[in-house]
Amino acid sequence: AQSVTQLDSHVSVSEGTPVLLRCNYSSSYSPSLFWYVQHPNKGLQLLLKYTSAATLVKGINGFEAEFKKSETSFHLTKPSAHMSDAAEYFCVVSDGNQFYFGTGTSLTVIP
Amino acid sequence: DSGVTQTPKHLITATGQRVTLRCSPRSGDLSVYWYQQSLDQGLQFLIHYYNGEERAKGNILERFSAQQFPDLHSELNLSSLELGDSALYFCASRAGRSGANVLTFGAGSRLTVL
Repeated sequence: AQSVTQLDSHVSVSEGTPVLLRCNYSSSYSPSLFWYVQHPNKGLQLLLKYTSAATLVKGINGFEAEFKKSETSFHLTKPSAHMSDAAEYFCVVSDGNQFYFGTGTSLTVIP
Repeated sequence: DSGVTQTPKHLITATGQRVTLRCSPRSGDLSVYWYQQSLDQGLQFLIHYYNGEERAKGNILERFSAQQFPDLHSELNLSSLELGDSALYFCASRAGRSGANVLTFGAGSRLTVL
């Protein structure tokens, strides 16, 4: 069975400080993992994906995530937050057919 | 523009009514997924179609139905609407059954039931 747990429902950071959004997954085999971002009243946009290549995955807008099998984690990071990063972020695991979404983390960026 | 088109963008209707939401996937994508997003339930998977055939069902109510047509567009039919059906409904498409394993989302259809 596949599932993801996003450990924080809300994260607040100051502009220019690092961002860390945490995600743990459960999968019976090597999963595909994704992060999606949703800005207010918009659709979900793919930030990055892991599909068993390099464990450090770089995405759009300066985001990256590291796949750690031993910790079953796929945390999303960014060195310096920007006001435009304020949004809802979803961690997703896929078994190749279905996609299992986390409950989302709302990121607030304080000016 | 993601390439996935959803219509209408906004829809306001009354309880007991029926509505149809439409989704055109990205050119060449065979799979269509429907999701419901509400404040209290989060993002819920409804149903998945691949090349016209139903592949998986999630938390889809019996009052809801969907289909995917030969031209690959899909429609989600919601009937006997209740206040609790008010939500954002997203469609997402994917290239093949398992290849190019990325979902591309449309902008959503916001349904308000009064």
